[in-house]
Amino acid sequence: SVLLYQKPNRDICQSGTSLKIQCVADSQVVSMFWYQQFQEQSLMLMATANEGSEATYESGFTKDKFPISRPNLTFSTLTVNNARPGDSSIYFCSSRLGVSYEQYFGPGTRLTVL
Amino acid sequence: GDSVTQKQGQVTLSEDDFLFINCTYSTTTYPTLFWYVQYPGQGPQLLLKVTTANNKGISRGFEATYDKGTTSFHLQKASVQESDSAVYFCALVENTGYQNFYFGKGTSLTVIP
Repeated sequence: SVLLYQKPNRDICQSGTSLKIQCVADSQVVSMFWYQQFQEQSLMLMATANEGSEATYESGFTKDKFPISRPNLTFSTLTVNNARPGDSSIYFCSSRLGVSYEQYFGPGTRLTVL
Repeated sequence: GDSVTQKQGQVTLSEDDFLFINCTYSTTTYPTLFWYVQYPGQGPQLLLKVTTANNKGISRGFEATYDKGTTSFHLQKASVQESDSAVYFCALVENTGYQNFYFGKGTSLTVIP
């Protein structure tokens, strides 16, 4: 399995500001994924981040709004730019050991934008 | 495209009741199937995994059977406890091609003591 840690656990920010969410894995993983979850709803895949390459974004998510860095095989950051109240949700990083393997999730970062 | 369907948004049961959560899938291949459980304030955790090589997954009293004929992967538990209250997600990953992970919408289970 893979253990994933996220920082911060929660954050409150003002509209128009930016914030960073960090994700650290306890072992090297090829791909890291970022998900968004609104209250009591399903998990929406935002982007896939592989080490040394640009993240691949899903429909509805853009690099300008949610830039992602993946500097090495155990670390990734998600930035929320120009935060709006509609961005208030829980953000999870995730990874898997192989292409057909189960995914593991971090504990999540709860973001509230005022 | 590939998808996972969970029609039950919320389920409320009493302790010791039988649990059945419906999950069907639609893919062009035989995927690997999963059930995840998400407790309040936590990230989703893997509950069960079933591949085409083994048709049934069992964990912590939960079980699910991979039925290629009906393309279903329903989750069952004979006797639920209050501690089973959580959100349950059915998920799949393709075994060919791009290998995206697909999650169902989730079923929120509340077990009343």
